[in-house]
Amino acid sequence: GEDVEQSLFLSVREGDSSVINCTYTDSSSTYLYWYKQEPGAGLQLLTYIFSNMDMKQDQRLTVLLNKKDKHLSLRIADTQTGDSAIYFCAGPPLNQAGTALIFGKGTTLSVSS
Amino acid sequence: EAGVAQSPRYKIIEKRQSVAFWCNPISGHATLYWYQQILGQGPKLLIQFQNNGVVDDSQLPKDRFSAERLKGVDSTLKIQPAKLEDSAVYLCASSQADVNYGYTFGSGTRLTVV
Repeated sequence: GEDVEQSLFLSVREGDSSVINCTYTDSSSTYLYWYKQEPGAGLQLLTYIFSNMDMKQDQRLTVLLNKKDKHLSLRIADTQTGDSAIYFCAGPPLNQAGTALIFGKGTTLSVSS
Repeated sequence: EAGVAQSPRYKIIEKRQSVAFWCNPISGHATLYWYQQILGQGPKLLIQFQNNGVVDDSQLPKDRFSAERLKGVDSTLKIQPAKLEDSAVYLCASSQADVNYGYTFGSGTRLTVV
């Protein structure tokens, strides 16, 4: 089954905050990641959080981790039209030999002016 | 530093034909990954290399897909014969041995099988 789940779409107005949510099943994940994918491009690492942290802030990005509920969120402050993209939550999977990441299906963020 | 290079950028083939993709990772990155991203889905791991050895190929359809990384640097992914459901973007990524800080993706090869 799916190890990482995300809502599929989010639409916001320019200047508002965006919150993208993710739930994961692997309680042993040491790091959790957020990637951004613009049309026709590969995935770009946005930020990551270590599992012993509850929050990490990096400029307009805030990552919140609720380990009890296995819930990860990405907040983008003052969302701009250039933030329109697909955002993927990722973490190490259960029961795989390597250190590869497993990705959610992605949340499409649409920002209107 | 130069990023992960992939070629070709696009490829259109007929079903039952063969195709190969090439990836040049970031210099010094020991670990290389091939992911398949079907439209509307997240990337799915096909194979992971550590230097020139395979770490995980449990999700690689070995009856038609093969991959190699002979000298621990460049890698090729081959599909033979291709099926319609292989239409996807094939992404290559690389990382240093410690992957905790995430890894870097190439721009991908978009494969269309008709």
